Amino acid sequence: EAGVAQSPRYKIIEKRQSVAFWCNPISGHATLYWYQQILGQGPKLLIQFQNNGVVDDSQLPKDRFSAERLKGVDSTLKIQPAKLEDSAVYLCASSFDLGANVLTFGAGSRLTVL
Amino acid sequence: AQSVTQLDSQVPVFEEAPVELRCNYSSSVSVYLFWYVQYPNQGLQLLLKYLSGSTLVKGINGFEAEFNKSQTSFHLRKPSVHISDTAEYFCAVTPAHNNDMRFGAGTRLTVKP
Repeated sequence: EAGVAQSPRYKIIEKRQSVAFWCNPISGHATLYWYQQILGQGPKLLIQFQNNGVVDDSQLPKDRFSAERLKGVDSTLKIQPAKLEDSAVYLCASSFDLGANVLTFGAGSRLTVL
Repeated sequence: AQSVTQLDSQVPVFEEAPVELRCNYSSSVSVYLFWYVQYPNQGLQLLLKYLSGSTLVKGINGFEAEFNKSQTSFHLRKPSVHISDTAEYFCAVTPAHNNDMRFGAGTRLTVKP
């Protein structure tokens, strides 16, 4: 089966600019996650979707980050305006459903904010 | 909330030597435990998981881990490492009732010839 697709793989922007990342989960996976991985740290959950509804966005900085999964398949994570500390790899993952504990990760989108 | 501590940030080891990567967790509820591996410029790949049953779990690439409830540990082991095992390894924990997965900071395993 095809894996979790993410794009772009790399993005360099100036601070205060905006950026968007796209994720296409494994076909049939109802649950989708966005993680932020800062260099030297483990991934941190930003937001979790079940189909097109948000399950958990308690760690999402809502003043600048937004995410949507309008049709319950693809998802977009947006940062506006970006700060230097947003430099990280943004990982998308999916699982069959909320009760399934195995997450499949995409290769990630590396963001550098200058 | 649950949390994970990986006790070693870097582990250098020679090829064909045994290795142990240490992981301790904290939680007030029953948990599931995982080890993921991340190769450079790639996403995380599941190595193994403990959900229930036997406390010794075998995973891919010859890795195994042992769940120790009294010590709240889930250390990862391999009896003989290869150069290709060089990567970042992450321990993760999630409550048994949801997918609120928390990761440790990672251990960088470097296998030297």
